[in-house]
Amino acid sequence: AQKITQTQPGMFVQEKEAVTLDCTYDTSDPSYGLFWYKQPSSGEMIFLIYQGSYDQQNATEGRYSLNFQKARKSANLVISASQLGDSAMYFCAMRESYSSASKIIFGSGTRLSIRP
Amino acid sequence: IAGITQAPTSQILAAGRRMTLRCTQDMRHNAMYWYRQDLGLGLRLIHYSNTAGTTGKGEVPDGYSVSRANTDDFPLTLASAVPSQTSVYFCASRGREDTEAFFGQGTRLTVV
Repeated sequence: AQKITQTQPGMFVQEKEAVTLDCTYDTSDPSYGLFWYKQPSSGEMIFLIYQGSYDQQNATEGRYSLNFQKARKSANLVISASQLGDSAMYFCAMRESYSSASKIIFGSGTRLSIRP
Repeated sequence: IAGITQAPTSQILAAGRRMTLRCTQDMRHNAMYWYRQDLGLGLRLIHYSNTAGTTGKGEVPDGYSVSRANTDDFPLTLASAVPSQTSVYFCASRGREDTEAFFGQGTRLTVV
């Protein structure tokens, strides 16, 4: 069964520092996708980055990169040069691709707070 | 309508009442999802639909039902609301060729 685990309920980081948000997953499907979403205090869900299980390189989107370690089943989000606007909840999610039921499940989230 | 729209934005509901949360998308997406968000628990999948006419159970389906009569609409019904269903509900959709899911703005439901 699909499972996503985020073990950091909250993190504090100094502005301009890099931060890594942890995510581990479990699946028996050989083909799957991993996502990260940001949820600011306003409540909307903002898509950040996607990694496919067969992608050879780690995904990057601007200051966001996904550290994909397939053997360890981890998909950590790295935010470089953090900004005050990065303060938000961050959710890791997974979708199994080959399954006839393309459910997307989420982890419990990490609340990131950036200190000025 | 642009994207995915949920209604109502918020609602206070008496326990035992029936309630339908509406979700409509105009992107012709095949897959649609309903989640509830509770503090400390993240987003939990209630029900999903891969295409019109089909639905499936997610992680927490009890007390909820869905239907998918057409591509655009995916209503979520609480037949007899209970206080534990107080939550923020998100609807999402995804196209066949898309990687990510697109979310509605959420419905804040309070059952008293």
